[in-house]
Amino acid sequence: KNQVEQSPQSLIILEGKNCTLQCNYTVSPFSNLRWYKQDTGRGPVSLTIMTFSENTKSNGRYTATLDADTKQSSLHITASQLSDSASYICVVSLVGGSQGNLIFGKGTKLSVKP
Amino acid sequence: DTGVSQDPRHKITKRGQNVTFRCDPISEHNRLYWYRQTLGQGPEFLTYFQNEAQLEKSRLLSDRFSAERPKGSFSTLEIQRTEQGDSAMYLCASSSSGGMYTGELFFGEGSRLTVL
Repeated sequence: KNQVEQSPQSLIILEGKNCTLQCNYTVSPFSNLRWYKQDTGRGPVSLTIMTFSENTKSNGRYTATLDADTKQSSLHITASQLSDSASYICVVSLVGGSQGNLIFGKGTKLSVKP
Repeated sequence: DTGVSQDPRHKITKRGQNVTFRCDPISEHNRLYWYRQTLGQGPEFLTYFQNEAQLEKSRLLSDRFSAERPKGSFSTLEIQRTEQGDSAMYLCASSSSGGMYTGELFFGEGSRLTVL
């Protein structure tokens, strides 16, 4: 069964600290993996997107890694800011398949405290 | 083009009433998706269109739900005889097909439905 699991479910960190969010997937055949940031009450916004041949991709203080062999991805946030408080959703795209070819994780809710 | 727009942003209705949401995708995108999201959960797929053709519908989409994209541009999602369990954020997204980053989604801000 194609699934995307994220951990932790929620995370609280202090402003200025780093954190890493995890995404494990059992999706095949894999096309690409993307991370979205969703502020409360808003639509998700794309942070990074990686194909199976890309191991890492950065977007400012956000760095995503992908290990297609172990089917794991991580999103590392450096020097967190209060505005990073949001849900972070991992989405895996598969070649063919159902659900419009996209499998969503449930997200990790990050709270950055001053 | 400023992105995907959804209307209305908020809708409060009484149980049993019908509601309709509109989504205007990015103009050059041929794929359009509808998702439902409840508090603390990731988006759940409802349906998607490629141009005007509705290619897939989730089992979540009961017969009270209907979606259309008549000219391959904007789309509407109608919920008939609303129930309290329909209360959620309804998200629309669009994408282009083909290319290395096939299916990269651009979301609207969502339409929040509250059924009293």
